[in-house]
Amino acid sequence: AQSVTQLGSHVSVSEGALVLLRCNYSSSVPPYLFWYVQYPNQGLQLLLKYTTGATLVKGINGFEAEFKKSETSFHLTKPSAHMSDAAEYFCAVPGGSNYKLTFGKGTLLTVNP
Amino acid sequence: GAGVSQSPRYKVAKRGQDVALRCDPISGHVSLFWYQQALGQGPEFLTYFQNEAQLDKSGLPSDRFFAERPEGSVSTLKIQRTQQEDSAVYLCASSPLTPGQGGNQPQHFGDGTRLSIL
Repeated sequence: AQSVTQLGSHVSVSEGALVLLRCNYSSSVPPYLFWYVQYPNQGLQLLLKYTTGATLVKGINGFEAEFKKSETSFHLTKPSAHMSDAAEYFCAVPGGSNYKLTFGKGTLLTVNP
Repeated sequence: GAGVSQSPRYKVAKRGQDVALRCDPISGHVSLFWYQQALGQGPEFLTYFQNEAQLDKSGLPSDRFFAERPEGSVSTLKIQRTQQEDSAVYLCASSPLTPGQGGNQPQHFGDGTRLSIL
């Protein structure tokens, strides 16, 4: 079964600094991958999705992710962090016949002024 | 409303009580999922409905958990004889298409119900 691993449960950056959140998928290439963001006491909001054939995927709020088959990675980046980016970020892969999502454990992003 | 609506937002119950959590998906969405999110963890799949049919309940942790979607729209997740380990946020998500129509369709999540068992 497909799975994803998020390295780093907590990432802290300064406002204006580069944001890099790591996600690695299991060995077989998934047809789809998602990044979701969760603000406190809210549900998950889709940031971006990968579909087969894409490499650089652009999402909302200035985020993007690069699919690297050689590294089995789908890391999330943003050139310049804003205070409003502080949230928890989840990488997820759909699987099974109903495409239920399997999530990573999440990375909490803190943005310091 | 335009989004997935869940109620109540917060529920506190004593151990042993039964609880019912409601999900109103986006109108017309065929697929409906329930997830359980423990503190500090990612959501974990519980069950899946395609219209009124419960096609996958492999994630339900015990027979105390029961879900239904009788008319293919609103869904209810019921937990009987609650235990402390049931404390978590329960998330509902819906998607417009059946899996065969497009596995890349993102799921739209509600804000969840935070369940605390005392």
